[in-house]
Parts: sequence; structure tokens; C-alpha cells
Amino acid sequence: QITLKESGPTLVKPTQTLTLTCTFSGFSLSTGGVGVGWIRQPPGKALEWLALIYWDDDKPYSPSLKTRLTITKDTSKNQVVLTMTNMDPVDTATYYCAHRPTYRRFFDYWGQGTLVTVSS
Amino acid sequence: QSALTQPASVSGSPGQSITISCTGTSSDVGGYNFVSWYQQHPGKAPKLMIYDVSNRPSGVSNRFSGSKSGNTASLTISGLQAEDEADYYCSSYTSSSVVFGGGTKLTVL
Repeated sequence: QITLKESGPTLVKPTQTLTLTCTFSGFSLSTGGVGVGWIRQPPGKALEWLALIYWDDDKPYSPSLKTRLTITKDTSKNQVVLTMTNMDPVDTATYYCAHRPTYRRFFDYWGQGTLVTVSS
Repeated sequence: QSALTQPASVSGSPGQSITISCTGTSSDVGGYNFVSWYQQHPGKAPKLMIYDVSNRPSGVSNRFSGSKSGNTASLTISGLQAEDEADYYCSSYTSSSVVFGGGTKLTVL
């Protein structure tokens, strides 16, 4: 059974760096074709894809946020970490991590999400 | 990379069928058979309903179906039920990224 869970601060100040951790079980990020993605959703707004990391350490990023994002993985801990620099109130959102199955191009399992508020 | 275009809202009565469109470009929806659809109830995480344009994951009702023509993909829900009331998002993979639609709120009258 695949599960994912996001963790991190609920409140960050403007200009600070956000670090979120996705801890998962039921699959390994060392398995060929597997990936974990981050998606966010501002309150009342649409989903927005942020980044992906694959088993081979390939890391595509959203073109509009690429300069602010870094995604890494720790295969031994079954964790994926996303950092976003220079946080702004418009970055207030629920942040989700999700599983991309082997060599497939969709997200089949999602975490519950974590709400991050950016405010001074 | 722009968001895919969906109608903001659609509605239907129980038992009816509705269709939600998702329009992109030849670089995303039209260029690949990698369109997926997600259902999201308030306060919940998105749930995969359709993948690779027209495939249903195990456990998803066969009342949900997907199709694509050119740069526009569609999600059809037949035999509308009250529990189908939710937000629906389309998504497309491109060669190296992912794009979502703006979302459609489905109201069951």
C-alpha cells in the first residue's frame, strides 16, 4: 500500500526559505521509472505543478518557479525534500506530494497535503 | 507553459450526463496521450479518475470516461450522482514537465 505524507512549517515569513519533506512508504525511489512530484494549491485556486524527482535523479521543475526550487531525495529514508526560496504571501498554499508510477505520466497516490501560510 | 483551459463550472441533474473540456496546445494535450483527470472534494487531496486520456484506475466507476480530439480532452460523467459534486482538474505531461487545468466545479442540482 502506497502512502505519502508531507511535513514542514505551517507558517513562514516573507523572504524566508521553505523546506518541506515528503515521507513515503509502499514503494522505492530506487525502482526504475518511479517518481515523486510536488504540487501546490492556493486557497480556492487551482492545482499548480512545482517539481518532480525520478529514480535516476532527473529533476524537472516548473519553468516559472525553477529559480526558487530545489528537489532532492534520500532513498534510504524514503523521503523527498522540496525547498523554495524567497517566500512571498502569494506562495500561501496547500502543498502536496504525489507518487508517479513506473514509467507512467500521472500521479496515482497523493499525500494529504500541508497548508503553508506566508505572513509576517 | 500556460495552464490548460477548463470551464469554471458545469452543472447537471442526477442521472444526467455532463462533459468537462480541457483545452491545451499541440505541445501538451495535442502532442501526447498523457492526459489525466483528478477529482477533488473540499478539503481533500485530488483523486486520480482517468489516466492516459481514457483509462480508468481500478476502483473508479465506469460512469467516468475520457477522450481527446486534437488539442482538447474531455471528461464525461454519466448517470450523475450527488457524490460526483466536486472540483475536477485535467493535467497533461509534456516532454519534461506537467501542466494542470484551471479546474471545473461540478454542481449536481
